[in-house]
Amino acid sequence: LAKTTQPISMDSYEGQEVNITCSHNNIATNDYITWYQQFPSQGPRFIIQGYKTKVTNEVASLFIPADRKSSTLSLPRVSLSDTAVYYCLVGANTGGFKTIFGAGTRLFVKA
Amino acid sequence: DTAVSQTPKYLVTQMGNDKSIKCEQNLGHDTMYWYKQDSKKFLKIMFSYNNKELIINETVPNRFSPKSPDKAHLNLHINSLELGDSAVYFCASSRDGQGSTEAFFGQGTRLTVV
Repeated sequence: LAKTTQPISMDSYEGQEVNITCSHNNIATNDYITWYQQFPSQGPRFIIQGYKTKVTNEVASLFIPADRKSSTLSLPRVSLSDTAVYYCLVGANTGGFKTIFGAGTRLFVKA
Repeated sequence: DTAVSQTPKYLVTQMGNDKSIKCEQNLGHDTMYWYKQDSKKFLKIMFSYNNKELIINETVPNRFSPKSPDKAHLNLHINSLELGDSAVYFCASSRDGQGSTEAFFGQGTRLTVV
């Protein structure tokens, strides 16, 4: 089970781009990298997922270098409503979705 | 319509009691999960069911017993509640059990044992 390491917290201002990096040195060949967002008193919500290179959707971009030992979630032009905890996961594959979310990165966006 | 719903949202009970948390998903997913989020915000999987069959059972006291009457429901029953069981419990579902599949979470049940 690949362990992930990410910063405990980050601060930003509205309108800035935020990059959160996650380390996963022992990622397995068939593991995917997934990011979730969690607001207080809510369950985590899927943001983006990738396997290699770059993935972009309407919410964020995910950059994965060739060695896949890290990944960076990029949130363009954050707003106050992006204040949340962001979890980086390296998902197991067949046999079940078995993972530990870890403590995540608490992003605080200021006005 | 709520995709993954769990009840109750809040549960306060005394030590030694038995309680249940219910979870239902209307997404037609095959796999459902129970997670526990402790005070440090670590979110850890407890159980996973695929088509009503248990496929993951992490190191969880046997006081915790999941029950899946059908693939749309996964309930969690807890016997002889202890103070350390206080946490937020999340139910989730996914299309299948693959790591590449997005999981959808419920709103959580905040359990407080006094």
